[in-house]
Amino acid sequence: KNEVEQSPQNLTAQEGEFITINCSYSVGISALHWLQQHPGGGIVSLFMLSSGKKKHGRLIATINIQEKHSSLHITASHPRDSAVYICAVDERGADGLTFGKGTHLIIQP
Amino acid sequence: NAGVTQTPKFRILKIGQSMTLQCTQDMNHNYMYWYRQDPGMGLKLIYYSVGAGITDKGEVPNGYNVSRSTTEDFPLRLELAAPSQTSVYFCASSETGQVYEQYFGPGTRLTVT
Repeated sequence: KNEVEQSPQNLTAQEGEFITINCSYSVGISALHWLQQHPGGGIVSLFMLSSGKKKHGRLIATINIQEKHSSLHITASHPRDSAVYICAVDERGADGLTFGKGTHLIIQP
Repeated sequence: NAGVTQTPKFRILKIGQSMTLQCTQDMNHNYMYWYRQDPGMGLKLIYYSVGAGITDKGEVPNGYNVSRSTTEDFPLRLELAAPSQTSVYFCASSETGQVYEQYFGPGTRLTVT
């Protein structure tokens, strides 16, 4: 079973700062997902990647398959980025995702 | 498209009661999932379905049942509710089982007292 670890668990930063959230996993995967969960609970998919790097607006996600590690970066952070960011992996041969516990991000104005 | 919808949004049950959490998707996705989210823990898979008429257990299936009579609907049944089933429940769907984005419903917050 894959073990998905995220760091940090909690992060408070000032508006405008560059944010990095890390995710590591223990077993080979088909793909890695980054999800966002706002207060009130809804979960939205931000990225799905199996290699390299993806960018969407101020968000960038990278993955290193050999090192079993992914990072989510937020540039020019804004209070509306405050949310829980969740890493989840699609394990080869399994159905359903395996989730990390999430990183609770607060961006202060 | 409404995407994935869940009802109810909130529910309080007494110990021993039963209820059904409803989930519907309008994207014609084959795969559907039920997850539960407990405080401080990652989401865990309860049951999943790869198509109408086919369901299978996930990591934490005890105390739950599912059915999939249509592509659109995937209800989750709780029989004899217990306090340990207090959680937030998310339904999700995807086009196929892997390497495809999962779309999540808004969640159902269930309290069993």
